[in-house]
Amino acid sequence: GQQVMQIPQYQHVQEGEDFTTYCNSSTTLSNIQWYKQRPGGHPVFLIQLVKSGEVKKQKRLTFQFGEAKKNSSLHITATQTTDVGTYFCAGSNTGNQFYFGTGTSLTVIP
Amino acid sequence: DAGITQSPRHKVTETGTPVTLRCHQTENHRYMYWYRQDPGHGLRLIHYSYGVKDTDKGEVSDGYSVSRSKTEDFLLTLESATSSQTSVYFCAISDQRYNEQFFGPGTRLTVL
Repeated sequence: GQQVMQIPQYQHVQEGEDFTTYCNSSTTLSNIQWYKQRPGGHPVFLIQLVKSGEVKKQKRLTFQFGEAKKNSSLHITATQTTDVGTYFCAGSNTGNQFYFGTGTSLTVIP
Repeated sequence: DAGITQSPRHKVTETGTPVTLRCHQTENHRYMYWYRQDPGHGLRLIHYSYGVKDTDKGEVSDGYSVSRSKTEDFLLTLESATSSQTSVYFCAISDQRYNEQFFGPGTRLTVL
């Protein structure tokens, strides 16, 4: 079956440092979504990427979809304590299912 | 937040007992999903529905069944709960096939 791998599993950064999480699929994806889950909360949708090589920005967050549509990344510039949480990617190729990555847990040290 | 609720929010049960979790939405979205979340595994799809009485299996469907008799309700049943089904269960909805999913608050289930 389809697998979506995400690295790193954990990341601790000093406030103000940058952060990146990577998502890799064993198969070509039709689209990819990113979610954020705060501790004790539920996943919240951040963005969806559809096109090969697509780059989207949301304030300090930059999302990329690889040219081969098999990988994606989320980069946060100058992290803040409000960025704490677990970031998940979710990829889909065909059908109605999205396959979630295992997530990257971000800790921001003030 | 989207109008999506889950009940119960917490449940402790014993091995071998049946358990039903309910997901209720007020958004009239067509698609509904049940996921389980476990440490080191992220979110894994159990079952999903693409309309009333239209359901299909996800990647971890063994031991679970679902029903959707109304647009707003999606039920997840564990016919005979096992300790391996101890998890946090999330319901999600979306209006179209590849659109963003809105998640409910989750149900924490413990099977002793």
